[in-house]
Amino acid sequence: NAGVMQNPRHLVRRRGQEARLRCSPMKGHSHVYWYRQLPEEGLKFMVYLQKENIIDESGMPKERFSAEFPKEGPSILRIQQVVRGDSAAYFCASSATGIHYEQYFGPGTRLTVT
Amino acid sequence: ILNVEQSPQSLHVQEGDSTNFTCSFPSSNFYALHWYRWETAKSPEALFVMTLNGDEKKKGRISATLNTKEGYSYLYIKGSQPEDSATYLCASAGGSQGNLIFGKGTKLSVKP
Repeated sequence: NAGVMQNPRHLVRRRGQEARLRCSPMKGHSHVYWYRQLPEEGLKFMVYLQKENIIDESGMPKERFSAEFPKEGPSILRIQQVVRGDSAAYFCASSATGIHYEQYFGPGTRLTVT
Repeated sequence: ILNVEQSPQSLHVQEGDSTNFTCSFPSSNFYALHWYRWETAKSPEALFVMTLNGDEKKKGRISATLNTKEGYSYLYIKGSQPEDSATYLCASAGGSQGNLIFGKGTKLSVKP
């Protein structure tokens, strides 16, 4: 029973490029959450998705960031025109249902913008 | 804005000591309180989710209590072992279906 998978684990992008981060939830989970951990800071909520729907994107920057969770395939967090301040660890978590249940975290993707 | 505060920031104990940490959160619009254990170079691992005032949960030597009226939760570790060394995070789900607000964590180091 595979856990939450994220790839790539490490991603290096130059300023202005696009970054695509993928998350495959645990089998049977239809709720996906993305979090960001900036250097020296805690985990910050970005977006909550269910299959084909964005439920809550209140933590996501308004520009350059987007997320999707299509009917088939992994959830994607997309960052366009990356800047140095986007360098962080991005974690995905999944749960079987909403907020009253544990979230299972993936290993994270460490994005470095040079 | 929801603020989740954890104390202490870090803790150093000897093997065999029992210890506890505090998580405080706004008590209005409370939905659920989560505890996670995060070892270095690994992913956060769920410990407990509590929703009702007075909830107490236990997993082995680790237990947690919840007071939603005053907005705090305690995590207890009985007879700490070196493998308990990790950062313990709490998170409150308030005001939204999916928006977990995390504290900065308590970093526990257990010396053999």
